[in-house]
Amino acid sequence: SAVISQKPSRDICQRGTSLTIQCQVDSQVTMMFWYRQQPGQSLTLIATANQGSEATYESGFVIDKFPISRPNLTFSTLTVSNMSPEDSSIYLCLGLTNTGELFFGEGSRLTVL
Amino acid sequence: SQQGEEDPQALSIQEGENATMNCSYKTSINNLQWYRQNSGRGLVHLILIRSNEREKHSGRLRVTLDTSKKSSSLLITASRAADTASYFCATEDTGGFKTIFGAGTRLFVKA
Repeated sequence: SAVISQKPSRDICQRGTSLTIQCQVDSQVTMMFWYRQQPGQSLTLIATANQGSEATYESGFVIDKFPISRPNLTFSTLTVSNMSPEDSSIYLCLGLTNTGELFFGEGSRLTVL
Repeated sequence: SQQGEEDPQALSIQEGENATMNCSYKTSINNLQWYRQNSGRGLVHLILIRSNEREKHSGRLRVTLDTSKKSSSLLITASRAADTASYFCATEDTGGFKTIFGAGTRLFVKA
């Protein structure tokens, strides 16, 4: 199975600040995605992280709020900008392998005060 | 919007009984996956079934896929208390290789 490492695992942040989450995957992963899971809800796709170019965002998510980088095949970051309590959530990095299997990072539990 | 829709939303059974959860979707897919999420923990990949497959088994799990009806079912046989969790279906669409998750079925297995 693919290995995906995500950090930080959790953080408590102040309103108005920004937090960057990092995701490192192994070479089996071809595509990378960022999801959000708000309390009691399912996973919502934020964006597809594209290597060397701008991420592809889903409806309701914008680059100014969730800038994403993917400088190479195996590394991506998601920044949650100008945070508010509504951004409190678990953020997950997912990797898709060339066999079509999806593997999750451990998730980053964010609490915004 | 999320296209995977699971039913029932919640299911409570006795240990030893079988649990069946269903998932419907709307678009053409490459594959459909089932995941388990224990309370407060991450998701665990259970099984993947490709669009050209109709049935797949893994231990006590049996998954079926009916692409004509755009639906899938997950059967857990001889359930155990440890199976208590939320179960999600996720579909990978043929267009953008995005994986979309349904809202999940909460399964409670009573000992």
